[in-house]
Formats: sequence, C-alpha cells, structure tokens
Amino acid sequence: QKEVEQNSGPLSVPEGAIASLNCTYSDRGSQSFFWYRQYSGKSPELIMFIYSNGDKEDGRFTAQLNKASQYVSLLIRDSQPSDSATYLCAVMDTGRRALTFGSGTRLQVQP
Amino acid sequence: DTEVTQTPKHLVMGMTNKKSLKCEQHMGHRAMYWYKQKAKKPPELMFVYSYEKLSINESVPSRFSPECPNSSLLNLHLHALQPEDSALYLCASSQDRLLSGNTIYFGEGSWLTVV
Repeated sequence: QKEVEQNSGPLSVPEGAIASLNCTYSDRGSQSFFWYRQYSGKSPELIMFIYSNGDKEDGRFTAQLNKASQYVSLLIRDSQPSDSATYLCAVMDTGRRALTFGSGTRLQVQP
Repeated sequence: DTEVTQTPKHLVMGMTNKKSLKCEQHMGHRAMYWYKQKAKKPPELMFVYSYEKLSINESVPSRFSPECPNSSLLNLHLHALQPEDSALYLCASSQDRLLSGNTIYFGEGSWLTVV
C-alpha cells in the first residue's frame, strides 16, 4: 500500500510567521506532488504543485521537493488568519495514475 | 479558468431511494474522478474515467454506479445506500491522467446524507 504521511497537527503559528508543513511518501517512483488547502466544509483547492527537486515559489507559498529523501514540504510566509485550514499533501500514484492523499495537517494562524 | 460543477450541493436520501450526483466540466479534460471524503479524513478514490471509459474502480460497492455519458459529464448513481455512506462526494477532472504533470482539479462537492 503506497502511503503519504503528514503530521495531523494542529500546527499553530502567530500571524506573520512562517508555517512549515511536511509530507513523506513511500512510492519512490512518484513524479508529481501537490498541496491542496481545504477549509472546513469545503472541497480541496489546489495551491501548489511540484515535479522537480528543489524549490518552487508562488507568492507567499514555497513548495520544496527532495526525491532522494521522499520528502515534500510547503512553506507559507507571512501567515494570515485566513490561511487557517487543513493542508493536504497528495502524490500521484505511478500505478493508478490518481492522487493518494495524506491525512492532512491542520494549520491555525493566531491573530 | 478551472471549474468543475457539481449538483446537487446537498442531498438527503432514504436507504431505499435512487438518486444521482452530477458533475460537469468544460475545460476539455479527458479524465474525470469520483472521490469520497468522510469527516476529518482525506479524500479516497472511488472511480476514474479516462476518455469516457472506466479505468479504475477501487472495489466500490455496487450500490454506487458511475456513468460517463460524454467527455464533459460524470454521474454517480446511488441506490440502496447505507447511513455510513453519508459523506462529501467530490468530482474532479484533469487533462489526461497519463500525462506527466497531470493536475487534478476538484469541484465543490456534494454533501450526501443517508437516513
């Protein structure tokens, strides 16, 4: 069973701080990695995707991928209370060609 | 603009009812998905259609029956459901599931309650 692991949290950070969310995966052949944000009662919203080792930045968000360590992370700079949500790490399963999700990390940004 | 539209937003049905969830996308995507999400759990894959053909059925009970009438539409027919089937049902689409870099976009979901 291919797995995606995340710390469930909650991760609590003060407003303006950097939030760091982490994810590990077991399928060494995975090529595509995604971060979705999900507010309570809403559907997942894609915020970042990354395919290559290294960093990818989009506004306040930076995704980091290390395939050798099977590790992907999401940094949120200048965290805002509106960033409070559950962040789902998802990995494209090389066999099924569909997403396998981690259990999500709940982020709380304190005003 | 990425948009996957799901109807209805909320559905309450009895265990003997037959109902359907509908999903539509007009982005020219050729892969469509049904996921199920229980409270405080991640989405779980149910079905995948690729070029209007069923590619993956994750051993879903036959009381759930998917249908892909054309490349823009995806239905999930529901019959004789159980209360434990109550969940958020998410439709998603992507350009082509076999492409490297395939990105999956979700609709707003349909909240299903079985009474």
